[in-house]
Amino acid sequence: AQSVTQLGSHVSVSEGALVLLRCNYSSSVPPYLFWYVQYPNQGLQLLLKYTTGATLVKGINGFEAEFKKSETSFHLTKPSAHMSDAAEYFCAVSTGANSKLTFGKGITLSVRP
Amino acid sequence: NAGVTQTPKFQVLKTGQSMTLQCAQDMNHNSMYWYRQDPGMGLRLIYYSASEGTTDKGEVPNGYNVSRLNKREFSLRLESAAPSQTSVYFCASSEWDSNNQPQHFGDGTRLSIL
Repeated sequence: AQSVTQLGSHVSVSEGALVLLRCNYSSSVPPYLFWYVQYPNQGLQLLLKYTTGATLVKGINGFEAEFKKSETSFHLTKPSAHMSDAAEYFCAVSTGANSKLTFGKGITLSVRP
Repeated sequence: NAGVTQTPKFQVLKTGQSMTLQCAQDMNHNSMYWYRQDPGMGLRLIYYSASEGTTDKGEVPNGYNVSRLNKREFSLRLESAAPSQTSVYFCASSEWDSNNQPQHFGDGTRLSIL
């Protein structure tokens, strides 16, 4: 079975500070990994995905994530937070044939002026 | 570019009432999904349709039924609504039901059951 762990429910950073949102997954086979962002009263929007190949993945809005197989992690980072980054962020994993996406519980990012 | 359109956006029901949530996509995607989102629980898959003419249960199907009306439309029906079904419901679609296909989401239906 696959699972995703996003520790904590809320992260607060100052504008211009580093953003680090953690995601760990559990899988017995090579995973496909995704980060989605949800702005208030909207649906989820794909930020980036890892399927195969380069382990450092760049996404939209300056975000990137690095797949580390040895640590079973796919942490999301952004060098400098902007007020518009305030949202809820979901990590998701898909593994195996005919597998469906399994989402983490989500992390709310707040950005202080 | 409409993408995935869900109707209605908000709905309040009384316990025992029935209703159908509508979803349509204009991206010619083959696969469609229904999720519910509850605080602190992420998104949980209710039902999905890998392709036109097929539907399958997800993680939390009890109390729901679905219909894949055609390639564009995938509806979710609550036959006898219960307060435990108060949630935000999201429809999503992807080109194919394979592991590396990103899903595209609608803006959700916020459903309250009294």
